[in-house]
Amino acid sequence: QQPVQSPQAVILREGEDAVINCSSSKALYSVHWYRQKHGEAPVFLMILLKGGEQKGHEKISASFNEKKQQSSLYLTASQLSYSGTYFCGTENKLDNNDMRFGAGTRLTVKP
Amino acid sequence: DAGVIQSPRHEVTEMGQEVTLRCKPISGHDYLFWYRQTMMRGLELLIYFNNNVPIDDSGMPEDRFSAKMPNASFSTLKIQPSEPRDSAVYFCASSLVGSYEQYFGPGTRLTVT
Repeated sequence: QQPVQSPQAVILREGEDAVINCSSSKALYSVHWYRQKHGEAPVFLMILLKGGEQKGHEKISASFNEKKQQSSLYLTASQLSYSGTYFCGTENKLDNNDMRFGAGTRLTVKP
Repeated sequence: DAGVIQSPRHEVTEMGQEVTLRCKPISGHDYLFWYRQTMMRGLELLIYFNNNVPIDDSGMPEDRFSAKMPNASFSTLKIQPSEPRDSAVYFCASSLVGSYEQYFGPGTRLTVT
């Protein structure tokens, strides 16, 4: 079952903040976040394991609410280099920990 | 390390032809994944291996698709016969057990005419 991401796209000015959400209809074991720039391969940002932990990567952080079966990615004081498509990948025990990716959120940061 | 290596980077073939995509994972990685990415369907997991053994191939679209991993440093994804709807970017990724982070190769852009 593919997780649902929202919004589908967002446009920011440099320095603005954004939140990308990822939700699943199934109980989650872990949530992965990747960023993909146009014409390139996805690049790993972070993983969150069940337990409601929060992690950070530079000015990008994420939370994982196991009870709500959702995760959010927070981009603070966005930079031009943050532009790209962000994917969440989820693993749940029912799928034997196979990862399923959301459709992606296209983030554009303008000067 | 050179990272995950995929070949060819681009493949154009005619419908009905056999296509073989190749992947060399990062040395020492235990897991190897094959993904397909299209605008319509996004990033889909096709199959993954653990220590050269296929663990789950439920994502393989149909019998025309097959994947092998004869050793720890090489895997192939074969499509026979190919169809226009197979046109996509195919990614290979590898990871270490317990690491969770997947390292993606540059992908193979397949066009079936």
